[in-house]
Amino acid sequence: KQEVTQIPAALSVPEGENLVLNCSFTDSAIYNLQWFRQDPGKGLTSLLLIQSSQREQTSGRLNASLDKSSGRSTLYIAASQPGDSATYLCAVGTDSNYQLIWGAGTKLIIKP
Amino acid sequence: GAVVSQHPSWVICKSGTSVKIECRSLDFQATTMFWYRQFPKQSLMLMATSNEGSKATYEQGVEKDKFLINHASLTLSTLTVTSAHPEDSSFYICSARDPVGRRPQHFGDGTRLSIL
Repeated sequence: KQEVTQIPAALSVPEGENLVLNCSFTDSAIYNLQWFRQDPGKGLTSLLLIQSSQREQTSGRLNASLDKSSGRSTLYIAASQPGDSATYLCAVGTDSNYQLIWGAGTKLIIKP
Repeated sequence: GAVVSQHPSWVICKSGTSVKIECRSLDFQATTMFWYRQFPKQSLMLMATSNEGSKATYEQGVEKDKFLINHASLTLSTLTVTSAHPEDSSFYICSARDPVGRRPQHFGDGTRLSIL
């Protein structure tokens, strides 16, 4: 059974720092992996999608990597801003129906 | 881009009431929709997978008679929480599978359900 773990559970850093969020999964047979952002009491914003055949994806200040063999993905945020404060969720697509298995999230606080 | 509309966004009602939540795909046909539940400070838990024209597939531990799912058209799935009780209070999120879009799933904005 696929399990997804995110470390750390919470992170607080000063504005301007670069940071890395981690996601690990137990079964390397995945279809894709996505990173989402969730603001308090709100829905989900899809940030990056990495297909199983890809190694990384980039969007602006965000870069996500995928290493299937080790069961790991990282989300790199460059030059962090207070507006980046949110909970970041990692989700693994496990089958052709794109059913997602979710990590518990990392709550990120960027201090001005 | 593709959009999923979820309605209502917030519901407060008395214990024993049945509540219906709608999930619509606005500009694409969704043969498959997913319903998730999220308790405070926890991640999303898949409740059921809804396929158009057939019965939903429920995850282990989710009561199908409690959470009725109907997916009667390619653009609409509904989740009805029957005889809701305070322990059903949660954040419910739907998503729709987009076979041809850039993202495999598009998410609604969620429904905050509070049962008094």
